[in-house]
Amino acid sequence: DTEVTQTPKHLVMGMTNKKSLKCEQHMGHRAMYWYKQKAKKPPELMFVYSYEKLSINESVPSRFSPECPNSSLLNLHLHALQPEDSALYLCASSQEFDPELNYGYTFGSGTRLTVV
Amino acid sequence: TQLLEQSPQFLSIQEGENLTVYCNSSSVFSSLQWYRQEPGEGPVLLVTVVTGGEVKKLKRLTFQFGDARKDSSLHITAAQPGDTGLYLCAGDHRYQGGKLIFGQGTELSVKP
Repeated sequence: DTEVTQTPKHLVMGMTNKKSLKCEQHMGHRAMYWYKQKAKKPPELMFVYSYEKLSINESVPSRFSPECPNSSLLNLHLHALQPEDSALYLCASSQEFDPELNYGYTFGSGTRLTVV
Repeated sequence: TQLLEQSPQFLSIQEGENLTVYCNSSSVFSSLQWYRQEPGEGPVLLVTVVTGGEVKKLKRLTFQFGDARKDSSLHITAAQPGDTGLYLCAGDHRYQGGKLIFGQGTELSVKP
C-alpha cells in the first residue's frame, strides 16, 4: 500500500458546525502532515506530527485541532470555521521528519472544504 | 520573502514544444523535490535531487540540481497534453526546522 487516503473528498459545513477530516497511511511512515492549499497556490504547512507527537504548529488558529491517534491515522478537527478557511486540505506522510535524510512526501488527494 | 522562487508562474505551449521551469534560492537546500499536481488531486512526487550537479531523467522530464544546491530546473521535451498541471518545487531547509518549503508553482497548459 503506497497511498495516503483522505476522507471525505468534499465537505460543506456551516460556521457553527463541528466536523473532522481523516487521513490514513499504511506505509509505516512516522511523519504526517496537514497542509492547506488555496486555488493556484502552493500548499501551506499547518501541522507536523513525528512519531505521533506534534512537532510543528505553524501558528494555526485554535479552530483547527489536529490529533494523531496512532502511527497510521491523522485527524483534523474543525470548529467554528470562517468562510476564508475554505480550501483544499491535504494530508501527507514521509518516512521520517528529517531534512538530512531527504525523504519525499506522499500526499493524499485532499478534502475540498467549503465553509458557508 | 519567498525562499524558493519558481519561474515562470504560467506557461501555455503547443504539443511538441520543449520547456524549462526554474526554481531558485539564495539558500542551500539539503534536497529539492519536484511535484506535479492535477486539479482536485494532491501533489505527486516526481523526483528528489540530493547531490549538487545531479541530473535525473524521468522519460521526457530532466531534472537538474545546481552545483551549489541552491537551484534546480525541470526540462520537458516534446510536451504532451497529459503534462498539463501545476508543477511545484519544494526543498527541505534545515534552518526552517526541516519543513518542506514550496515554490509558488508553475501552471503548465499544453494544447493539442
